[in-house]
Amino acid sequence: DTEVTQTPKHLVMGMTNKKSLKCEQHMGHRAMYWYKQKAKKPPELMFVYSYEKLSINESVPSRFSPECPNSSLLNLHLHALQPEDSALYLCASSQAPGRGVKEGGYTFGSGTRLTVV
Amino acid sequence: DAKTTQPTSMDCAEGRAANLPCNHSTISGNEYVYWYRQIHSQGPQYIIHGLKNNETNEMASLIITEDRKSSTLILPHATLRDTAVYYCIVRVPLGFKTIFGAGTRLFVKA
Repeated sequence: DTEVTQTPKHLVMGMTNKKSLKCEQHMGHRAMYWYKQKAKKPPELMFVYSYEKLSINESVPSRFSPECPNSSLLNLHLHALQPEDSALYLCASSQAPGRGVKEGGYTFGSGTRLTVV
Repeated sequence: DAKTTQPTSMDCAEGRAANLPCNHSTISGNEYVYWYRQIHSQGPQYIIHGLKNNETNEMASLIITEDRKSSTLILPHATLRDTAVYYCIVRVPLGFKTIFGAGTRLFVKA
């Protein structure tokens, strides 16, 4: 399996709703990432997990709450979002530093297109 | 991580080679050069990476200058499906901060 699977593909939520985005990979990657991408802009890094622990939080508002329950799963919990949070949310995975690990690229999922109304 | 500079857009005729340049004049000795592309409405796709030697895989070739201050991604026979935004990124080995710049929008025309 060489894919990162993101669900749902599309999500419409109200500003008072609570929803979650899910990301799954079975490549044995121990680093996982959340990116946010607005239209016609490059992806922006939000969070990085390494060996299931949060390594990087790029000053993301607390209404976005990441979770890594195991080495294959990454969730992004959403609460009280604003319309400006509407974007494509991308998950990625990669090798993490470790003995014998070779340098390589990230594998991205197709994203969840989120609309906040 | 070092910053990169890429042209905003480029055109290429179908079947011809597409040569996409990238400047990274502040690259550090241990930083790799990575290329990704993003086809409309899809997630970015890893293409190739290199440290100092030229690299080739089934998708593309990467030519890095001897001083490592610039590189060129070569798609040898561009097809319409290669129309995408191409991102050049530099980062430390196994680093966690893959930061995307504006990239180059490549249009392959029939």
